[in-house]
Amino acid sequence: AQSVTQPDIHITVSEGASLELRCNYSYGATPYLFWYVQSPGQGLQLLLKYFSGDTLVQGIKGFEAEFKRSQSSFNLRKPSVHWSDAAEYFCAVGAVAGYALNFGKGTSLLVTP
Amino acid sequence: NAGVTQTPKFRVLKTGQSMTLLCAQDMNHEYMYWYRQDPGMGLRLIHYSVGEGTTAKGEVPDGYNVSRLKKQNFLLGLESAAPSQTSVYFCATAEQGRNQPQHFGDGTRLSIL
Repeated sequence: AQSVTQPDIHITVSEGASLELRCNYSYGATPYLFWYVQSPGQGLQLLLKYFSGDTLVQGIKGFEAEFKRSQSSFNLRKPSVHWSDAAEYFCAVGAVAGYALNFGKGTSLLVTP
Repeated sequence: NAGVTQTPKFRVLKTGQSMTLLCAQDMNHEYMYWYRQDPGMGLRLIHYSVGEGTTAKGEVPDGYNVSRLKKQNFLLGLESAAPSQTSVYFCATAEQGRNQPQHFGDGTRLSIL
């Protein structure tokens, strides 16, 4: 079955520093991969997605992610973090059944001044 | 344009009571999903629907029932609430296709005492 692992439960970065959130997937074929962000008390918002083509994908809010098949990874990056980026980040892989999403357990990002 | 609307936003139930959560969408999407979010667990799929009149079980369907009588509405029912069903419930919708992103409501926070 398709699954994702987010190794980091919590990450703290200083405002203005770069950010990388890790995501590893398990799937035999080419996966359909997504990154979502959840602000406190809110639903999930799509940051970016990948299923084919250029392995470096650009998303909203200055985020990008790189698909690396050899490492089974889809890490999310941002060059300079803003305080408003503090949120929960979820990596997900698209399932076959019903095109549902299998989510990782999430990474909570704290941004310090 | 409301997108995906969930009602109610908050609810407290006693063990054994029943209730129905409503998800309404105005995007004319075929696919609808119910997830639950628990601390440290990410989001897990409860049930989903690939069109009006259809439903299917997800990863954690026990104790829940669903109905999709109208394309725009997806109802999640708890027949006899249990404390283990205390959670935040999210509805999501998507167009047909594995590469289509899901659009989420703001969630329903449910507490079972």
